[in-house]
Amino acid sequence: GAGVSQSPSNKVTEKGKDVELRCDPISGHTALYWYRQSLGQGLEFLIYFQGNSAPDKSGLPSDRFSAERTGGSVSTLTIQRTQQEDSAVYLCASRLNRGHSSYEQYFGPGTRLTVT
Amino acid sequence: SQQGEEDPQALSIQEGENATMNCSYKTSINNLQWYRQNSGRGLVHLILIRSNEREKHSGRLRVTLDTSKKSSSLLITASRAADTASYFCAAPPYGQNFVFGPGTRLSVLP
Repeated sequence: GAGVSQSPSNKVTEKGKDVELRCDPISGHTALYWYRQSLGQGLEFLIYFQGNSAPDKSGLPSDRFSAERTGGSVSTLTIQRTQQEDSAVYLCASRLNRGHSSYEQYFGPGTRLTVT
Repeated sequence: SQQGEEDPQALSIQEGENATMNCSYKTSINNLQWYRQNSGRGLVHLILIRSNEREKHSGRLRVTLDTSKKSSSLLITASRAADTASYFCAAPPYGQNFVFGPGTRLSVLP
């Protein structure tokens, strides 16, 4: 079946512009994560959605960052007034979550954001 | 704070040798997972070991878990050039989502 997809794959934007990044998780996966990865670095957790619960936004670096997940499926990460330090690969992952068991995350290919 | 930190940060070995990387974590966990990342794109899940398991194998991969030391190791035997990648561990605490460590960058030289 289809995996996690992200669009666009690459985005170049000018400093100060807003950008929207999209994630289509695997159908039926109730958990969805956004991460950011700067060049040569580890993954930085941004936000986590689980079903109808309030999202965990503890990783969002500033109020310029926001995300929503409509209908428990597609998610959009929005960065307002982009800065050069926002340049990174933005990764989305989804996970099946049943009861107390944990399952592996399935990652999308990422969106490479370049702010000029 | 990170739950899952890999060691070493970078590792370079010859093809055919074994590669060992370690992961330490801080709180009680439900399971520990290892992932691989090629060339800065999406991560791929390699193996999951549950907190009541001590060792697990998958092909050339061997994972151990020591909950008393809050540590895990990933062993890749008979390494190949295609194993060159970054390897991450994630150790989800009970009842929480999980975060990834900074990773180990493995280079397998032909």
